[in-house]
Order: sequence, then C-alpha cells, then structure tokens
Amino acid sequence: DSGVTQTPKHLITATGQRVTLRCSPRSGDLSVYWYQQSLDQGLQFLIQYYNGEERAKGNILERFSAQQFPDLHSELNLSSLELGDSALYFCASSDPGSGYTFGSGTRLTVV
Amino acid sequence: AQKVTQAQTEISVVEKEDVTLDCVYETRDTTYYLFWYKQPPSGELVFLIRRNSFDEQNEISGRYSWNFQKSTSSFNFTITASQVVDSAVYFCALSEPYGNNRLAFGKGNQVVVIP
Repeated sequence: DSGVTQTPKHLITATGQRVTLRCSPRSGDLSVYWYQQSLDQGLQFLIQYYNGEERAKGNILERFSAQQFPDLHSELNLSSLELGDSALYFCASSDPGSGYTFGSGTRLTVV
Repeated sequence: AQKVTQAQTEISVVEKEDVTLDCVYETRDTTYYLFWYKQPPSGELVFLIRRNSFDEQNEISGRYSWNFQKSTSSFNFTITASQVVDSAVYFCALSEPYGNNRLAFGKGNQVVVIP
C-alpha cells in the first residue's frame, strides 16, 4: 500500500456523462497531482494542488476540473465524456523530502 | 521545456540475462530530479529511484542499478539477471526544480522476460 488511495478502481460510463474520481493523499502530504495515462498520449500531467490551492496546470481539458478539500483529499471531475477520455487516471502526492508516491489508479472506460 | 526520451519501446530478454534501459533527458534547469518507475501488468506505478541532479554517483539496489551521466544527460537503468517478475513497463521521468512539481515522463520501455 503506497499510502495514496484512489477510488473507484474501475469506472465504466457512457459518452456525455460526468464522473468524479477521488484521491486521498499520503498522510502529511500537502501536494496532490493528477495524471492521465492513455495509449496514444502516454503519461501526462493534468493538474496540481497544494494545500487547497491550484498550483500548476498541464494538458487538462476544459471539460475536466479538480479541487482539493480542507482535509487534503482531491477530486477530479470529468464531464461531457468522450470515447477518447478512456484512460488510467493516477493521483500522486508528494512532500519535499521523499518525492512522489502514486495511487493505484482509476481505470475509466467510456462506452 | 523538459523532455524525456526512452528510445527502446519493447525489449525481450531471456531469463537471467541483463537488460539496460536508456533514458535521455533535456532540461534547462541546473537543479532537477530524475526518477524511474515500474508499471507491472496490474497497472500501478511503483517507485524505484529518485536521483538529485547534483548527485552523480551510481546506485545499486539488489539486481537494479542506475548510471547517471550528467555530461550526456542520461540516466540509464540496468536489471541484472532478469526474472519473469521483472516483466513490466519502466518509465523514466524528470521533475522541475526541487522535486516537488510535475513529472515529465518518457514513453516507457516494455520489458518482456522470457522464461
């Protein structure tokens, strides 16, 4: 167990729908990152939050949004889903001393 | 912009052979971190190593070893005496200063160990 918890592990939904992916960071870590892994794009950074504030943005679509709550857990919201959004979504948390730890991922399938 | 190149896409080796995975990176920063992760068929990303740009010492951990050459911007990974459990995708990654920001990943090396 890495200490970073992601739920759900698997999600199957239809095009046009909206889903929420949840991440609980490792205890004490203030930073949360979201990454998308798809066959054609590889592993791509989406967005980072630090202690509730958005810190950095990567290749995140406008249909996607995220937030980090006071208890430091984070949610990634994906809306108006398309077939191409099918991917493995990873959350990671970090602290300056040890670096990154990834959760086990949420596998999203859009049908 | 930061970039990581892992040229070999799929590498097949017979069990007990050694395999070396090449990683070449580009960055304008003088301070950065380099990482290797393993992604087994189950899908999770398993941390293997983090290396600071100021530390060029090679590292060995069991059957794993890493060779960091700043002069050639390379951070290569060798698995000695490979085992079937080593079959996985291996990713090299680079982070912005202080190791606390986004990771730029290479495309990964699929390693297949044949028994």
